[in-house]
Amino acid sequence: AQSVTQLDSHVSVSEGTPVLLRCNYSSSYSPSLFWYVQHPNKGLQLLLKYTSAATLVKGINGFEAEFKKSETSFHLTKPSAHMSDAAEYFCVVSSAGGTSYGKLTFGQGTILTVHP
Amino acid sequence: GAGVSQSPSNKVTEKGKDVELRCDPISGHTALYWYRQSLGQGLEFLIYFQGNSAPDKSGLPSDRFSAERTGGSVSTLTIQRTQQEDSAVYLCASRREDLSYEQYFGPGTRLTVT
Repeated sequence: AQSVTQLDSHVSVSEGTPVLLRCNYSSSYSPSLFWYVQHPNKGLQLLLKYTSAATLVKGINGFEAEFKKSETSFHLTKPSAHMSDAAEYFCVVSSAGGTSYGKLTFGQGTILTVHP
Repeated sequence: GAGVSQSPSNKVTEKGKDVELRCDPISGHTALYWYRQSLGQGLEFLIYFQGNSAPDKSGLPSDRFSAERTGGSVSTLTIQRTQQEDSAVYLCASRREDLSYEQYFGPGTRLTVT
């Protein structure tokens, strides 16, 4: 079985300050991990993905995440927050095989608020 | 190119009625998934199609829910005798047949059962 835990339901930052959204995963095999973002009343958009290549993954809009196997973590960071980053962020793990190939398991989401 | 499309975008129905939700995946994507997003349960997997077959239906919450896919393309999710707890946003996603696992999501159908 696989699961993800997002450690913060809400994160609030000031514009221009760093962003850290925390995610821990549980998987019985080498996982594929993703971060998706959902802006209000919009669909889910892929920010970045880890699929067993480089452990530091760069995504769109200046976001990056580091896969740390020893800590079973995949935290999302951004050096400087922008007002347009305000949204809900989901950490996601993908099933690797069997009858559930590619099935995504979502964390509960972290709502990011950016203050001017 | 065209993304995943879903229709209708909004559906309001009375309790006890049947509803059909449609998903058009990205052309050439062989894998198709349905998910549900609700306030109490977050984002949950419902069903997975590979071509026209559904090897994993484990997320369907009850036998009132069914889905089919025809021609390896369009999929329909049907909910019979709708209940208020079925109110949610139903999301469809499709994926290429490779190892990237990346899924592309549609905008969703917001279902409200009154």
